[in-house]
Amino acid sequence: GAVVSQHPSRVICKSGTSVKIECRSLDFQATTMFWYRQFPKKSLMLMATSNEGSKATYEQGVEKDKFLINHASLTLSTLTVTSAHPEDSSFYICSARMASGGFYEQYFGPGTRLTVT
Amino acid sequence: AQTVTQSQPEMSVQEAETVTLSCTYDTSESDYYLFWYKQPPSRQMILVIRQEAYKQQNATENRFSVNFQKAAKSFSLKISDSQLGDAAMYFCAYSSYGKLTFGQGTILTVHP
Repeated sequence: GAVVSQHPSRVICKSGTSVKIECRSLDFQATTMFWYRQFPKKSLMLMATSNEGSKATYEQGVEKDKFLINHASLTLSTLTVTSAHPEDSSFYICSARMASGGFYEQYFGPGTRLTVT
Repeated sequence: AQTVTQSQPEMSVQEAETVTLSCTYDTSESDYYLFWYKQPPSRQMILVIRQEAYKQQNATENRFSVNFQKAAKSFSLKISDSQLGDAAMYFCAYSSYGKLTFGQGTILTVHP
């Protein structure tokens, strides 16, 4: 089956620094990837849609200058949290979309736990 | 905008018994997809079952089946012969143009 990886799985950074999270589709090409944020025991909130070779589309209320998304290739999208603050601590999940039998299915990465101290 | 509502924050079931998780949604679209995802403690999202709105027949995957009521905009998940490994958070989700909208989630506990 389709596999999506995320790196790192856990990261701790100091307030004011930036951190980059990678999302890779390992065995398929994904023209579209999605980034979600999830708080403990809460639902997934879509942050942005990442399209290969073009600018990401951010959901309402998501600061695009703070959460930089780059989808430079068909297998890699990155999320950079700039000038991180403790309130940015969360679980970040990416997914990659692949056409399957006339339907676009999303395959999820294992997530990245970000802790800002 | 589409919304998905799961009114049961927590549910519990005895091993080998059957449990039903509820989900309702709101949309003005006629063509869409509905999903149930499982998120175990590892937090890896796992697709449990998918339903195409144009199909009247309810989807089934082994012990998992849905009751899709399009007119009522209801999409419940039935888990038969519950197993300890079914314990997880379950999310109902809606998709019409590729983007997924998730419900609030239901934490399922399975008692041995």
